[in-house]
Amino acid sequence: DAGITQSPRHKVTETGTPVTLRCHQTENHRYMYWYRQDPGHGLRLIHYSYGVKDTDKGEVSDGYSVSRSKTEDFLLTLESATSSQTSVYFCAISHQGRGTSAYNEQFFGPGTRLTVL
Amino acid sequence: AQSVTQLGSHVSVSEGALVLLRCNYSSSVPPYLFWYVQYPNQGLQLLLKYTSAATLVKGINGFEAEFKKSETSFHLTKPSAHMSDAAEYFCAVSPMDSSYKLIFGSGTRLLVRP
Repeated sequence: DAGITQSPRHKVTETGTPVTLRCHQTENHRYMYWYRQDPGHGLRLIHYSYGVKDTDKGEVSDGYSVSRSKTEDFLLTLESATSSQTSVYFCAISHQGRGTSAYNEQFFGPGTRLTVL
Repeated sequence: AQSVTQLGSHVSVSEGALVLLRCNYSSSVPPYLFWYVQYPNQGLQLLLKYTSAATLVKGINGFEAEFKKSETSFHLTKPSAHMSDAAEYFCAVSPMDSSYKLIFGSGTRLLVRP
């Protein structure tokens, strides 16, 4: 299994509070991704990173920010959590990505279940 | 924009029966294609991938998928279902022109009856 951990694994918070989720990898992969999983929607990309301090938006980025200060860690922050952000959040990594012609095989972490009351 | 359609949010089969999970993609240029499996309370695990080397792709746990360009399909099959196959299955495409992306279908939950 790819060395990807996510913390916390479960979190319950209240509307309006800030929340930070952490993804940590031991694979030294360049590319990291944050997805959210909701019933009927599959996985949708929130943000991704193509290197330290290099990030870009995905299809559902509103209300989220990310940071990557070192290769192994990718943080997802909800500045002011809302009930619509109740979801399961997955981090993924890949060693190929933008700017290459190689296929993008991604490896996933175990997920974080976030409930916003 | 690229999209992936998985027909049937739930598929139920008897143990030992054929498993067929359908996936169609929209693209004028054949993309890279993937099937992932998700067991309860776990992350996604790669089952198999199509990267243009061969149209019939074999994966783990006895699953295989056939890429059909004329039908823009990449259906997942297994000859004989096992109880342990019960999970959610996701088809995903990685567009050739933006290969860092993975676009997922909405998923199909496979139920296996004893």
